[in-house]
Amino acid sequence: GESVGLHLPTLSVQEGDNSIINCAYSNSASDYFIWYKQESGKGPQFIIDIRSNMDKRQGQRVTVLLNKTVKHLSLQIAATQPGDSAVYFCAENSMEYGNKLVFGAGTILRVKS
Amino acid sequence: DSGVTQTPKHLITATGQRVTLRCSPRSGDLSVYWYQQSLDQGLQFLIHYYNGEERAKGNILERFSAQQFPDLHSELNLSSLELGDSALYFCASSVGAMSSYEQYFGPGTRLTVT
Repeated sequence: GESVGLHLPTLSVQEGDNSIINCAYSNSASDYFIWYKQESGKGPQFIIDIRSNMDKRQGQRVTVLLNKTVKHLSLQIAATQPGDSAVYFCAENSMEYGNKLVFGAGTILRVKS
Repeated sequence: DSGVTQTPKHLITATGQRVTLRCSPRSGDLSVYWYQQSLDQGLQFLIHYYNGEERAKGNILERFSAQQFPDLHSELNLSSLELGDSALYFCASSVGAMSSYEQYFGPGTRLTVT
């Protein structure tokens, strides 16, 4: 069925440490993946995306890794800051889903100062 | 600020009523997507319009309908409201017709059905 990271875990990290948020996706045919950040009371905000022909993509302080063998996606945040505290969602796209994004349940990131 | 606007920000209404949520996409974006976010269901795709035409449907109830107008703004109509329809409703926009483009989300409309 359509499922991406159904659980909603919480990750607590110390300010300045690196954070790694994981996501398991279910559709091996998915060809596009996105990470979104959602702060309380706001809409999801695009962080970074990656296509299935890549294994790694870097942005500003963020890196997304894609392991298609085990259908796993991760988001690494370097030098985590209090402003990074939010819920992080991964999403996948596949034509099998009918040209739509399927979102995971999300991971709560709490940054301790 | 994503450039996507949604009105109203909050809406409180009674069961059985009908409401209309409005979305204006970013300048230049032709696609509009609607999502529902509830505590028990997460972020669920409802429907996608591209340049006025429906492109994809998700878990949208028959009581719900949407349209995209020539000026590209979109409206989501929710009728015969039930308590379970209480949720955050987000609109997102993107430049292309395929969902494999970066989508920019609006601030959402919080609907409370009493």
